[in-house]
Amino acid sequence: DTEVTQTPKHLVMGMTNKKSLKCEQHMGHRAMYWYKQKAKKPPELMFVYSYEKLSINESVPSRFSPECPNSSLLNLHLHALQPEDSALYLCASSTQDSSSYEQYFGPGTRLTVT
Amino acid sequence: AQTVTQSQPEMSVQEAETVTLSCTYDTSESDYYLFWYKQPPSRQMILVIRQEAYKQQNATENRFSVNFQKAAKSFSLKISDSQLGDAAMYFCAYRRYNAGNMLTFGGGTRLMVKP
Repeated sequence: DTEVTQTPKHLVMGMTNKKSLKCEQHMGHRAMYWYKQKAKKPPELMFVYSYEKLSINESVPSRFSPECPNSSLLNLHLHALQPEDSALYLCASSTQDSSSYEQYFGPGTRLTVT
Repeated sequence: AQTVTQSQPEMSVQEAETVTLSCTYDTSESDYYLFWYKQPPSRQMILVIRQEAYKQQNATENRFSVNFQKAAKSFSLKISDSQLGDAAMYFCAYRRYNAGNMLTFGGGTRLMVKP
């Protein structure tokens, strides 16, 4: 199983709403990532979890709150978002082996903030 | 800091023809990995091909091959016998060898394939 799954596929939320994005992988990967991708742009790294601990936070606003409940799951909690936060949110996973090279990406959640 | 540049925002190719996508990067490291990722419209991003900087031989995966010029810091992707399914955004990416698994992406090239 080389699949990263993400739910929901699409999400529309108001600026006062609270919602969560979910990501799951069963490849035994111990590194998981959240990216934000605007149209026709490359993914921008938001957070990295390594062995269920937050290892990298790329100066992301506090209205985005990541959580890694276990080695297979990654959540992104959203609160008080702005319209400019509308984007495709990608989850990815990989091994922690420094000689490894591949990140496996999920299909993404298309988020629209109204 | 490393930077990755893709100078062609859009490219088009006729079906069955060959196309080359360009990528240059800037780094002071000697060991690193380079990748080409493909992102079809509304579909998952997948790895197309990778190159380890310490290998002189250019990587090849079926119809996909790279021209890796380490001294010139150039890493182009050649797609032979282009197919309609090759239409996608292509991202060149860089990863330091022993610095976790963080990728630095180029700006992307949108490839269109004409039937």
